[in-house]
Amino acid sequence: KQEVTQIPAALSVPEGENLVLNCSFTDSAIYNLQWFRQDPGKGLTSLLLIQSSQREQTSGRLNASLDKSSGRSTLYIAASQPGDSATYLCAVRPGEETSGSRLTFGEGTQLTVNP
Amino acid sequence: NAGVTQTPKFRILKIGQSMTLQCTQDMNHNYMYWYRQDPGMGLKLIYYSVGAGITDKGEVPNGYNVSRSTTEDFPLRLELAAPSQTSVYFCASRKQANTGELFFGEGSRLTVL
Repeated sequence: KQEVTQIPAALSVPEGENLVLNCSFTDSAIYNLQWFRQDPGKGLTSLLLIQSSQREQTSGRLNASLDKSSGRSTLYIAASQPGDSATYLCAVRPGEETSGSRLTFGEGTQLTVNP
Repeated sequence: NAGVTQTPKFRILKIGQSMTLQCTQDMNHNYMYWYRQDPGMGLKLIYYSVGAGITDKGEVPNGYNVSRSTTEDFPLRLELAAPSQTSVYFCASRKQANTGELFFGEGSRLTVL
């Protein structure tokens, strides 16, 4: 059974700092990995989607990397801003499963960027 | 750009009552999902559908039912509400099976007293 772990559970940084969020998964046979952002009381917003054949994806100040063999992904946020404060979740599309393409989610990292 | 729309946003139920959470998407996505999110926990899959007329159970289906009569709509029914069903419910959809990005609604917060 695929398990996804995110460390740390919470992170507080001063504005302007570069930071890294970590996501690890137990089954390396994945189709893709997706990073989401969730603001309090809101739904999840997709940030980046990395296919299993890719090593990284970039969007603005965000860069996500994927190392399938070690079962790890990182989300790098450059020059953090208070508006980046949110919970960040990663999710993997596991293995060869074809029924519904179900994702397995991590529990998230709650990020606070202090002005 | 409506995307995935859920109603209601908030609801309080008494134990034993029934209700339906509505979900509709206007992106012509085949795959739709219902998740629940409990405080400090990740998302758990309740039910999913790979197309109109086809549904299947996820990790935590007990106490819920779904139907998928159209591509757009995927309602989630709670027949006999229990306090354990107090949670935030999210509907999501995707176009493609393997590579498609997942889109979420804004959630429905349900409290069972």
